[in-house]
Amino acid sequence: EVQLVESGGGLVQPGGSLRLSCAASGFTFSAYAIHWVRQGPGKGLEYVSAISGNGGSTYYANSVKGRFTISRDNSKNTLYLQMGSLRPEDTAVYYCVKDWDSSGNYNGYFDYWGQGTLVTVSS
Amino acid sequence: DIQMTQSPSSVSASVGDRVTITCRASQGISNYLAWYQQKPGKAPKFLIYAASSLQSGVPSRFSGSASGTDFTLTISSLQPEDFATYYCLQANSFPRTFGQGTKLEIK
Repeated sequence: EVQLVESGGGLVQPGGSLRLSCAASGFTFSAYAIHWVRQGPGKGLEYVSAISGNGGSTYYANSVKGRFTISRDNSKNTLYLQMGSLRPEDTAVYYCVKDWDSSGNYNGYFDYWGQGTLVTVSS
Repeated sequence: DIQMTQSPSSVSASVGDRVTITCRASQGISNYLAWYQQKPGKAPKFLIYAASSLQSGVPSRFSGSASGTDFTLTISSLQPEDFATYYCLQANSFPRTFGQGTKLEIK
């Protein structure tokens, strides 16, 4: 059974940093790209970032480019999102999402989602 | 960025009703369109891909169709467990973009 379990969320002041983790199981982690998608309180879904299966290619939405860094440790089946220069508008539930394409590219649909971790940016 | 305009934003319906939700893409996305269902406090669930292909395990009362840049999700006979918020997603280009969501409520 595919499982994605996010952690690391919490309350942080504007301008602060936070690192999210996503522990994966139930599939060959290194074969699949993983994405981050966020959802502000009472809002819709917003795409954040992606990383290829081997970690060699990454993508960032303009809203987070230069502030967030996505990475993965395939030996630990874990994905990370290092978030810096946080703003109140970054407040959201952050979901770790598996790509369905087993080539490792991040060009596919999102088939499995974690339960999310809440990040609140506020003073 | 490709904009996905989803309508209606909310709809009230009864068990057994047929419901249709639409997404319009701001430019051509071929058929790279998916639909997701989200219940309160839960992660989205993958329903349909390539505009009209049903993900494994999804009931056959769900169906999708496409016409140019217009995409439709239809639930043929609503069941109590179908009341949720539905989102479309374009997977043609980056950044991936979602529709604003359609909240399906019980009448």
